[in-house]
Amino acid sequence: DGGITQSPKYLFRKEGQNVTLSCEQNLNHDAMYWYRQDPGQGLRLIYYSQIVNDFQKGDIAEGYSVSREKKESFPLTVTSAQKNPTAFYLCASSISGMGQKLFFGSGTQLSVL
Amino acid sequence: EDKVVQSPLSLVVHEGDTVTLNCSYEVTNFRSLLWYKQEKKAPTFLFMLTSSGIEKKSGRLSSILDKKELFSILNITATQTGDSAIYLCAASIYNNNDMRFGAGTRLTVKP
Repeated sequence: DGGITQSPKYLFRKEGQNVTLSCEQNLNHDAMYWYRQDPGQGLRLIYYSQIVNDFQKGDIAEGYSVSREKKESFPLTVTSAQKNPTAFYLCASSISGMGQKLFFGSGTQLSVL
Repeated sequence: EDKVVQSPLSLVVHEGDTVTLNCSYEVTNFRSLLWYKQEKKAPTFLFMLTSSGIEKKSGRLSSILDKKELFSILNITATQTGDSAIYLCAASIYNNNDMRFGAGTRLTVKP
């Protein structure tokens, strides 16, 4: 079955620690995205990538970093510079650029210890 | 500033009721309006609307867009407990690789 796989489902971060969230897709989609979801707020875009080895910042990129070395993979690192990292993180993909419907993974809940 | 506002934020109904969820938007260079259902974790796509006045239907769900008044509605008839979810709407924008999401409407359908 084609889809998007995020791991882990739950992640705990200690003070000063960088953590990496995994996102893999086998839909052969060109574009991939990372969103942050906080209670009572809409999804906010952290980073997106339309092609391998290229990515763009979204509205809330500060304290996050990404890489896109393979078409299938778009990992997100939450760095120690992100002071409020507790949130639900969703990875998504689309056939091409934004405006197309998004296919979402099941998310990672990140909490701070 | 681009924004998408959904109402109500929360709604509780009983099985068999009909519900209407609202989504208003103010975005520059509007391209399309999308609806998603988020039951547990992963949002799933429901509808994409680009033209005014054309209703899209899928079973008991339907949606329509009004580009003059800048809003969309999602109707669910004969609700079932399986319709309980957060419903998200999002506006996509031309020449901008972003999609503005509303905060969502949490629908609870009681037996």
